[in-house]
Amino acid sequence: EAGVTQSPTHLIKTRGQQATLRCSPISGHTSVYWYQQALGLGLQFLLWYDEGEERNRGNFPPRFSGRQFPNYSSELNVNALELEDSALYLCASTDLRTGHTEAFFGQGTRLTVV
Amino acid sequence: QKEVEQNSGPLSVPEGAIASLNCTYSDRGSQSFFWYRQYSGKSPELIMFIYSNGDKEDGRFTAQLNKASQYVSLLIRDSQPSDSATYLCAVNPPGTASKLTFGTGTRLQVTL
Repeated sequence: EAGVTQSPTHLIKTRGQQATLRCSPISGHTSVYWYQQALGLGLQFLLWYDEGEERNRGNFPPRFSGRQFPNYSSELNVNALELEDSALYLCASTDLRTGHTEAFFGQGTRLTVV
Repeated sequence: QKEVEQNSGPLSVPEGAIASLNCTYSDRGSQSFFWYRQYSGKSPELIMFIYSNGDKEDGRFTAQLNKASQYVSLLIRDSQPSDSATYLCAVNPPGTASKLTFGTGTRLQVTL
């Protein structure tokens, strides 16, 4: 069974540009979480999507946005990129319908803003 | 007060010893607790989860949960150099339905 997949693996953008990051959850999982991990720091919660709806949002500015598609894959968009947006962006999926909440991570997208 | 607290370490243990990693959480109503292992530059890997008070064992790993003390720990027996990584504690606070909240992690170094 395929795990959580993220694309691209690496992304280099210039300040002010937009970045789009993609995540495909484990088959059967309906919830997707996005986290940001800056170098040497902990995981900061960005967004949570479940069944196509945004369920929760972390303390990030509105230029961080996303969506979840009918097939439960998800996209994270970061507009007006700033240098401090450089980080590892992690997507995790889970299936809340089972009553269990274990989340599994993809390999991440490393975003570098220059 | 941080929602999930861990000692950042590094925690250094000799090969073959028991490594003990600790985590405290602030929300008494939390129900689900997880330990992830993260190697440098890689994504977190789920290694243990525990939902009930007491111990849960899986191979060399034992998770311990004490809800009264709001404390969860991870024991690694017979530590190996390959166990050297950052260990992240994660908790699901109530009312936020599966918004996993992570501690900043404890770096473990297993020395030869």
